[in-house]
Amino acid sequence: DIVMTQSPDSLAVSLGERATINCKSSQSVLYSSNNKNYLAWYQQKPGQPPKLLIYWASTRESGVPDRFSGSGSGTDFTLTISSLQAEDVAVYYCQQYYSTPSFGPGTKVDIK
Amino acid sequence: QVQLVESGGGLVKPGGSLRLSCAASGFTFSDYYMSWIRQAPGKGLEWVSYISSSSSYTNYADSVKGRFTISRDNAKNSLYLQMNSLRAEDTAVYYCARVVGATQYYFDYWGQGTLVTVSS
Repeated sequence: DIVMTQSPDSLAVSLGERATINCKSSQSVLYSSNNKNYLAWYQQKPGQPPKLLIYWASTRESGVPDRFSGSGSGTDFTLTISSLQAEDVAVYYCQQYYSTPSFGPGTKVDIK
Repeated sequence: QVQLVESGGGLVKPGGSLRLSCAASGFTFSDYYMSWIRQAPGKGLEWVSYISSSSSYTNYADSVKGRFTISRDNAKNSLYLQMNSLRAEDTAVYYCARVVGATQYYFDYWGQGTLVTVSS
């Protein structure tokens, strides 16, 4: 099974500043046959279900603001919020789908 | 618009059973694989089970294998999770989610969830 880790556990960022969340998989999620990384990111606000933000490590889901971006390959990935807004306060999870799905433990983002 | 509405959660004693339902609308249910994912109170997300569009293939997390059964009724646009031999560690909000992909997949729409509490 692929184990996902995230860092930091939580972070507080000033409004308008950049937030960076890291995700690491215990083995590569890059599929060599199509050169795609099987990695998704979700946002979960309090009392709500998770919402898909990014898939294939860097493709934004329709309707997701362009201040959210994903990068990385192989085992190391990053979710960046370029200019934090108040509505971005949430827990963010990465998920690999190279094999049986598994999620990272989450990173809580707050306003400083 | 895509809607997934779970029901059937509640309080059950250890060793008991419960059947969750998920009513789908706003898309052609029979075209999509579906999944159940759970979240223990204050904890992260755990994939539970998955079913193909025609019910020909199912898969389960090791933590529920042999105790939970996923099924669907495409005529009723409904997904189910039969949970038997429930344990305290099964206490969680259970979400149904629409799957993108087949053997390798992520989840593009989630329901609001239904809370299952296993306690004596």
